[in-house]
Amino acid sequence: GENVEQHPSTLSVQEGDSAVIKCTYSDSASNYFPWYKQELGKGPQLIIDIRSNVGEKKDQRIAVTLNKTAKHFSLHITETQPEDSAVYFCAASVSGYSTLTFGKGTMLLVSP
Amino acid sequence: ETGVTQTPRHLVMGMTNKKSLKCEQHLGHNAMYWYKQSAKKPLELMFVYSLEERVENNSVPSRFSPECPNSSHLFLHLHTLQPEDSALYLCASSDGEKLFFGSGTQLSVL
Repeated sequence: GENVEQHPSTLSVQEGDSAVIKCTYSDSASNYFPWYKQELGKGPQLIIDIRSNVGEKKDQRIAVTLNKTAKHFSLHITETQPEDSAVYFCAASVSGYSTLTFGKGTMLLVSP
Repeated sequence: ETGVTQTPRHLVMGMTNKKSLKCEQHLGHNAMYWYKQSAKKPLELMFVYSLEERVENNSVPSRFSPECPNSSHLFLHLHTLQPEDSALYLCASSDGEKLFFGSGTQLSVL
């Protein structure tokens, strides 16, 4: 089955800096890669996703990149703000065929 | 909110109690899920229902019993739980690709 590794487990940055979270996956058939943000006391919320036919996707301050050859994908957050502080999860699946496999999560702390 | 509502938000129960967690989705999805989230562990998939039929059961102990009476509702019946079952239980629904989570039930077993 699929295995997703996520690094780092914690990440501390100053407000305004950029943050990068990286994930690797094992199943070359995986073609759907979402990222979730989980704030304290809430369930994970989908913030951005990418499919294997695309190398990069941006949504305002958030971007995701995918390297199919190396089987890794990354979340980039620019101009971080304190409200970006949360736990971020990456995941992978074969779209329409398998359930998502999640990474262990990265706790992002943005200091004012 | 995501359109997935879970109740109760918090639950404390003894090991001999019987309780149920409820989940309702208002998104028109036909797949629903139960996940367990423990500290410092990945999200653990427990059960998957598609079109009201259970399609996945990841070796979950029988003290957890799911029920899906229709495509909008999902229950998790709990009985004779152990302290190690204390965790955040998350319900989710899916359109076949994107997964939408509820806010979870924080369960403490004493």
